[in-house]
Amino acid sequence: GQNIDQPTEMTATEGAIVQINCTYQTSGFNGLFWYQQHAGEAPTFLSYNVLDGLEEKGRFSSFLSRSKGYSYLLLKELQMKDSASYLCAVETGNNRKLIWGLGTSLAVNP
Amino acid sequence: DVKVTQSSRYLVKRTGEKVFLECVQDMDHENMFWYRQDPGLGLRLIYFSYDVKMKEKGDIPEGYSVSREKKERFSLILESASTNQTSMYLCASSPSSGVKETQYFGPGTRLLVL
Repeated sequence: GQNIDQPTEMTATEGAIVQINCTYQTSGFNGLFWYQQHAGEAPTFLSYNVLDGLEEKGRFSSFLSRSKGYSYLLLKELQMKDSASYLCAVETGNNRKLIWGLGTSLAVNP
Repeated sequence: DVKVTQSSRYLVKRTGEKVFLECVQDMDHENMFWYRQDPGLGLRLIYFSYDVKMKEKGDIPEGYSVSREKKERFSLILESASTNQTSMYLCASSPSSGVKETQYFGPGTRLLVL
């Protein structure tokens, strides 16, 4: 089967760093996406990894190890507005269909 | 900027009604998707379309149908709404070609079936 696992909930303090992990077992792999979703809103794109290694984008970075089926999203200098759900998704085929994790709900406390 | 719009943000319908949810994108994307999102179940794919008049079932197509008569528009139809179809419905689109092309989401329609 196809499966994506990520922690259900995490909490962190404003100004700190947090790492959200994602492990996947899928029948194919074209790339891995991270999305952010605030409560009541639609998901918005954060990052994309297709090769092993770290992709940095401002306060957010994403890492991928294809051999381990593992990714993480690193959020630095946390702000209150980073409180949201973070979704990991894997593209497996040619038609942009994504396999989605259930999301990690991050609460940033003052 | 890519724009994906959905016909309603909130909708209340009665059991047994036929419900139409419309989605329009303005970026000439080939692929369009309909999801529903429920607490604890995440995003689940209902149907997707990779071209005009083409459609494929997703993971939970039962009780739904779709229509794609024009490239920019993808409609989700609930033939006879039931209370277990109360959910947040999200439409997304993406291009077929190109690397690193994500899915772009509409704002969502929160449907309540009474």
